[in-house]
Amino acid sequence: QQPVQSPQAVILREGEDAVINCSSSKALYSVHWYRQKHGEAPVFLMILLKGGEQKGHEKISASFNEKKQQSSLYLTASQLSYSGTYFCGPGTSYGKLTFGQGTILTVHP
Amino acid sequence: NAGVTQTPKFQVLKTGQSMTLQCAQDMNHEYMSWYRQDPGMGLRLIHYSVGAGITDQGEVPNGYNVSRSTTEDFPLRLLSAAPSQTSVYFCASSYRPENTEAFFGQGTRLTVV
Repeated sequence: QQPVQSPQAVILREGEDAVINCSSSKALYSVHWYRQKHGEAPVFLMILLKGGEQKGHEKISASFNEKKQQSSLYLTASQLSYSGTYFCGPGTSYGKLTFGQGTILTVHP
Repeated sequence: NAGVTQTPKFQVLKTGQSMTLQCAQDMNHEYMSWYRQDPGMGLRLIHYSVGAGITDQGEVPNGYNVSRSTTEDFPLRLLSAAPSQTSVYFCASSYRPENTEAFFGQGTRLTVV
């Protein structure tokens, strides 16, 4: 079952902040975030694990609330390069990824 | 380091034709998987493999076949192409254990007419 992301799309000016939310109806033990630029492959951003451990992108922060089965990705002082579609998903099992439908982020100059 | 390499990048097939999408990785990853991406639907898992000789079905396996004879290669076969299989296909690989970064190939854009 796919996680639900919100908002579905967001438009920013350079330097503005954004938050992308991800929630699941099933128990979440970890959360993955990926970004996909138009016409390209998804690229790993970070993994959030139970207990607060994070692995991944140094310039992007995220939170993971295990009890609420929610995660949020915080994009601060956005840059043009942040544009793309952001996907979240529960932790992998045998390497399999399950993604939400994505949040389209557009950053304008 | 090449990472994950998919070929071809683009392909047009006629309905009923068969073909194989190639995927190779040079990172000695145990896990490999195939996804299709359709507009507004994110990524959907077709088949996956946890090691050479071991494969299993994902969410949308019908019409596709896989095998994994080596750690490096994980080809996806379309048995009899249908217009509903028009999509962008991505191959991905990752290390065991769980919750490690997945690396994606650049994708194959397939059109079935």
